[in-house]
Amino acid sequence: DIQMTQSPSSLSASVGDRVTITCRASQSIINYLNWYQQKPGKAPKLLVYGASNLQSGVPSRISGSGSGTDFTLTISSLQPEDFATYYCQQTYSAPPWTFGQGTMVEIK
Amino acid sequence: QVQLVESGGGLVRPGGSLRLSCAASGLAFSDSYMNWVRQATGKGLEWLSYISGSGGTIYYADSVKGRFTISRDNAKNSLYLQMNSLRVEDTAVYYCVRSGEMGTANYWGQGTLVTVSS
Repeated sequence: DIQMTQSPSSLSASVGDRVTITCRASQSIINYLNWYQQKPGKAPKLLVYGASNLQSGVPSRISGSGSGTDFTLTISSLQPEDFATYYCQQTYSAPPWTFGQGTMVEIK
Repeated sequence: QVQLVESGGGLVRPGGSLRLSCAASGLAFSDSYMNWVRQATGKGLEWLSYISGSGGTIYYADSVKGRFTISRDNAKNSLYLQMNSLRVEDTAVYYCVRSGEMGTANYWGQGTLVTVSS
């Protein structure tokens, strides 16, 4: 099975900061990499699919990049509504479609 | 709009069984690839199982293989998860999830809580 390693596991940042979260796959997954945002008590929400495609309605301050084994989610200017936990997920080939362990973005 | 509504969660003893249901609306259900994903309290997301639109292709995570069974009834726009031989570590919120292009989990239900405890 493909393992997904996210870093950091948590970070503290201020409104307006640039934030970067990384996700590394244990083997090449080409661009079959999705990013989700989850707020407490809520279901996850899709942000980015195919490594760099922004889901409809997601603000343009959020972007994804990468291919192969290394991927990045960037929030260019952190807003109050961005404080949440973020997960990457690989959907390369047949399941299991594994998630990263998550990155909690907290207010500094 | 797309709605996925899970039901069937609750408290069950270790070794017991439970059947979760997911009622889907606002989408072409028989054309939709469906999944179950769970999340233990304070923990990350764990993908559990996938079923194709026809039901002919099914996958499971190793953690539930042989104990859980995914199925669907396209006439009722419903997805199911039969959970047998439940363990304390199966305690979690269980989400019904629709996969779109490239396997993307683009629609999620609100989740149903399963608690396995004596």
